[in-house]
Amino acid sequence: SAVISQKPSRDICQRGTSLTIQCQVDSQVTMMFWYRQQPGQSLTLIATANQGSEATYESGFVIDKFPISRPNLTFSTLTVSNMSPEDSSIYLCSVRDYGYTFGSGTRLTVV
Amino acid sequence: ELKVEQNPLFLSMQEGKNYTIYCNYSTTSDRLYWYRQDPGKSLESLFVLLSNGAVKQEGRLMASLDTKARLSTLHITAAVHDLSATYFCAVDDSGSRLTFGEGTQLTVNP
Repeated sequence: SAVISQKPSRDICQRGTSLTIQCQVDSQVTMMFWYRQQPGQSLTLIATANQGSEATYESGFVIDKFPISRPNLTFSTLTVSNMSPEDSSIYLCSVRDYGYTFGSGTRLTVV
Repeated sequence: ELKVEQNPLFLSMQEGKNYTIYCNYSTTSDRLYWYRQDPGKSLESLFVLLSNGAVKQEGRLMASLDTKARLSTLHITAAVHDLSATYFCAVDDSGSRLTFGEGTQLTVNP
């Protein structure tokens, strides 16, 4: 299965600032996914990112808040913009290969 | 909209006991996944179930899928402390996304 390198692993950010999370995959994949996991909760899909097209956002998530880039078939970024404490979560990227493989996650704390 | 429900949400077991976690989902799908998550960690893939009647076993864990009943089970045999974690089922919605259950937080007590 694919191996995903996700950075940063954790960060503490001031409210009103932005953080960009990166995921690098060791093979070319068509679809990449970004999830949010709020404390003590399950995973919620933010958006699906396909190379060469705009990301598809799920209900409740908007591009202005969570802009995504997908410049090639092995890389994607998610930016969490204008952060508030409610954005404190674990953010995970995922790719679909045999099953679905997840990155190691980014634990974000907004203060 | 696909809904995935797990039960129980919290499970406290004694070592050596058996128990089953249930995962029900609301629409037709023949792809279901089980993941384990340790505190502060990412998701570890446990099982990929791709057809009706699929059964997979790894160590003390066994997963099954009944697509007609829209039900998957994760059976734990002779639990040990190392199995303490949160377990998620997730259903593949037409190959384009995963929808997760709420998770089952398992604690195995000595």
